[in-house]
Amino acid sequence: ETGVTQTPRHLVMGMTNKKSLKCEQHLGHNAMYWYKQSAKKPLELMFVYNFKEQTENNSVPSRFSPECPNSSHLFLHLHTLQPEDSALYLCASSQDAGAGANVLTFGAGSRLTVL
Amino acid sequence: AQRVTQPEKLLSVFKGAPVELKCNYSYSGSPELFWYVQYSRQRLQLLLRHISRESIKGFTADLNKGETSFHLKKPFAQEEDSAMYYCALARSGNTPLVFGKGTRLSVIA
Repeated sequence: ETGVTQTPRHLVMGMTNKKSLKCEQHLGHNAMYWYKQSAKKPLELMFVYNFKEQTENNSVPSRFSPECPNSSHLFLHLHTLQPEDSALYLCASSQDAGAGANVLTFGAGSRLTVL
Repeated sequence: AQRVTQPEKLLSVFKGAPVELKCNYSYSGSPELFWYVQYSRQRLQLLLRHISRESIKGFTADLNKGETSFHLKKPFAQEEDSAMYYCALARSGNTPLVFGKGTRLSVIA
């Protein structure tokens, strides 16, 4: 699959579980993002990584822990989540700077349900 | 702080009717404005950006700095235009986008 690939597409977990969401892109982009999309709120930016360095943490609770081992891969580690964390988690990537910086390519998302 | 407002959660129009999806923003500097679209069961994707000044799928959007608006328009709606539309804003350069809450467009045959 080309573009931005997210796995798993669906995840159900209990509040005491630990799981991870994975995102990878082979577009040659250097910036990667996690967004949260829920029915009640707009697209919420969670984290931004640029050249593997975290450049933005949008006041996200510590139960969400991002990891970016290289420019092509991004993880979101989940632990002791709450039911209100149930949402669609979108990964996106973009060029690191210049005119293409804000042209985001999105993945299909990982639908998370916390029981 | 940057903010994007899309006042309509849902907009329903008949096929062939004109469409205008409203977007207003608050930002004191020179903004970059975008429209993203999400069709049913598809990924969120870029529709157009104001600096390109182009028409995509018949849609256009003009940045009005005086009214701080970036409304999306199409003269004749098609059924395949039914989707969720998000207006987004960024400061120039490498800064994350701020999205509006989105407007669901429903084109009725």
